[in-house]
Amino acid sequence: QVQLVESGGGVVQPGRSLRLSCAASGFNFTTYAIHWVRQAPGKGLEWVAVISYAGNNKFYADSVKGRFTIARDNSKNTLYLQMNSLRVEDTAVYYCAKEGITYYYDSSGGFDHWGQGTLVTVSS
Amino acid sequence: SYELTQTPSVSVSPGQTASITCSGDILGDKYVSWYQQKPGQSPVLVIYQDLKRPSGIPERFSGSNSGTTATLTISGTQAMDEADYYCQAWDRSSVVFGGGTKLTVL
Repeated sequence: QVQLVESGGGVVQPGRSLRLSCAASGFNFTTYAIHWVRQAPGKGLEWVAVISYAGNNKFYADSVKGRFTIARDNSKNTLYLQMNSLRVEDTAVYYCAKEGITYYYDSSGGFDHWGQGTLVTVSS
Repeated sequence: SYELTQTPSVSVSPGQTASITCSGDILGDKYVSWYQQKPGQSPVLVIYQDLKRPSGIPERFSGSNSGTTATLTISGTQAMDEADYYCQAWDRSSVVFGGGTKLTVL
């Protein structure tokens, strides 16, 4: 069965960095785009970034552009999110979510599987 | 930037039909997905490409999308359907979520 397992969350001071990982299994990782979506405490869903199946296309929300970098290692079936210059408003549960259709990254098939999320708290 | 607007809350009696709407500019020209999220859980895809149901999603969930409004309809609403619901679309190289609708079954 499809599994997405996030890790790397924790408490970090403003201005510092953190790297999240998402380990995938149960599907052909190399043929699906993967997204990061976050949810601040008590708030709605906010899209963060997407990376295409081959890693050559990456798109970011304006709120994280220039600070966050999405990457993937298809040999390890793992997705990453490097988060630099963290701000208090980046505090959220971060989910990785799989595209529902192979090779597309425009969410036309929806996000058919989500991880359990990892909590990032940015606080001094 | 593109925005999707949802009514913050909807109430429905058990067995009745719940309609949750999502509005956005020329939304009918885009594919819309819907997600259900219960407290403390990750979101679950219930509708994609406006009206398709993933395997395992009950038939009482249906969707439509035309003009500026997409609608998620839950027929014969059950207590287990009480949750937050989010619409989502793609616009100009980014994913957009609606603000969410809290469905209360009472």
